[in-house]
Amino acid sequence: SQTIHQWPATLVQPVGSPLSLECTVEGTSNPNLYWYRQAAGRGLQLLFYSVGIGQISSEVPQNLSASRPQDRQFILSSKKLLLSDSGFYLCAWSTRTGAFFGQGTRLTVV
Amino acid sequence: DAKTTQPTSMDCAEGRAANLPCNHSTISGNEYVYWYRQIHSQGPQYIIHGLKNNETNEMASLIITEDRKSSTLILPHATLRDTAVYYCIVRRPTNYGQNFVFGPGTRLSVLP
Repeated sequence: SQTIHQWPATLVQPVGSPLSLECTVEGTSNPNLYWYRQAAGRGLQLLFYSVGIGQISSEVPQNLSASRPQDRQFILSSKKLLLSDSGFYLCAWSTRTGAFFGQGTRLTVV
Repeated sequence: DAKTTQPTSMDCAEGRAANLPCNHSTISGNEYVYWYRQIHSQGPQYIIHGLKNNETNEMASLIITEDRKSSTLILPHATLRDTAVYYCIVRRPTNYGQNFVFGPGTRLSVLP
């Protein structure tokens, strides 16, 4: 069966520090992969999606970037975090008819 | 993808059926209705989806009106663990750049 791993679960980082969140998927090949962010009490906002290695599409301009170095690996990064980058970050993968989410990373920028 | 509207919040007594409505009046013929839920500080969990016919699985039932402009998610015997935010989404199956657009959802509180 397919599983999705996302880490770390929580992260506290100072303003101006770099960020790297990693997501890996098992049990499937060539998945569509996504990074979402959720602000407190709000819906999910799509940040990036990828349909293949090295192929990244950005939905909103921001201080973050994404990379897909391997078929089942998706990385969310920042060179310098802002206070506004705080939130709950979710990795997801999808089939043609459904999407499945990791357990999320709660990032607090202080 | 079509927009959905859901009530902001609902309460349900433990052991009773929870009926969560969703309006999607602009849904097109090839768009499916999906339901997800999100328990606090966890990733959204897939519940069920359907196109035209009513659907049932081990978690819930999905009732879609004949005109497909609205649907209802039914949790037949709600438990305290069903307390979560429930999202109704309509979208068409595609192979590329699939974007599940999550609105604010309905916050369901199951009360003892």
